[in-house]
Amino acid sequence: AQSVSQHNHHVILSEAASLELGCNYSYGGTVNLFWYVQYPGQHLQLLLKYFSGDPLVKGIKGFEAEFIKSKFSFNLRKPSVQWSDTAEYFCAVNALGAAGNKLTFGGGTRVLVKP
Amino acid sequence: EAQVTQNPRYLITVTGKKLTVTCSQNMNHEYMSWYRQDPGLGLRQIYYSMNVEVTDKGDVPEGYKVSRKEKRNFPLILESPSPNQTSLYFCASAHQGLKTQYFGPGTRLLVL
Repeated sequence: AQSVSQHNHHVILSEAASLELGCNYSYGGTVNLFWYVQYPGQHLQLLLKYFSGDPLVKGIKGFEAEFIKSKFSFNLRKPSVQWSDTAEYFCAVNALGAAGNKLTFGGGTRVLVKP
Repeated sequence: EAQVTQNPRYLITVTGKKLTVTCSQNMNHEYMSWYRQDPGLGLRQIYYSMNVEVTDKGDVPEGYKVSRKEKRNFPLILESPSPNQTSLYFCASAHQGLKTQYFGPGTRLLVL
């Protein structure tokens, strides 16, 4: 079965700092990849997604992610964070063709941006 | 407005008292799913449904039941809730192919 690892459980940084969140998955086949964000007290919102094509994808709110197939990674980046980026971020993988059509989520990374 | 709705949003109950959390979507999605979110564990899938009358277990199905009698509704049933089912529950829906899942607002459940 596929699994998703997010290396950092908590990240604290100051406004204007750059952010990179790691995500690795285990599945040898074709995947659809997602990053979701959950602001305090809210439900999950889709930040960006990768299905095929250009491995560098841009999402909402200035976020981007790069799919590196050889490393089974899909890291999320933002060049300059704002206080409003304080949230929990989840990487998710849909393993195409695997048994059980589902999204597998990583454990999440809590990001705190200090004003 | 396209959305996934859940009810109730908050629920406190006692061990053994059967409860149902409803989920409804208005996007004519074939696929629906239930997740529970626990600190440090991310979201774990409980059950999913590919279409009406088609349901299957996710990663953590024990203690839960679901049904899919209509395309728009996918209720989650806890026949005999236990304290380890205290969690935040999310319903989600998507078109076939699972390109994008849309999440409901969540139901926070406390089982005493």
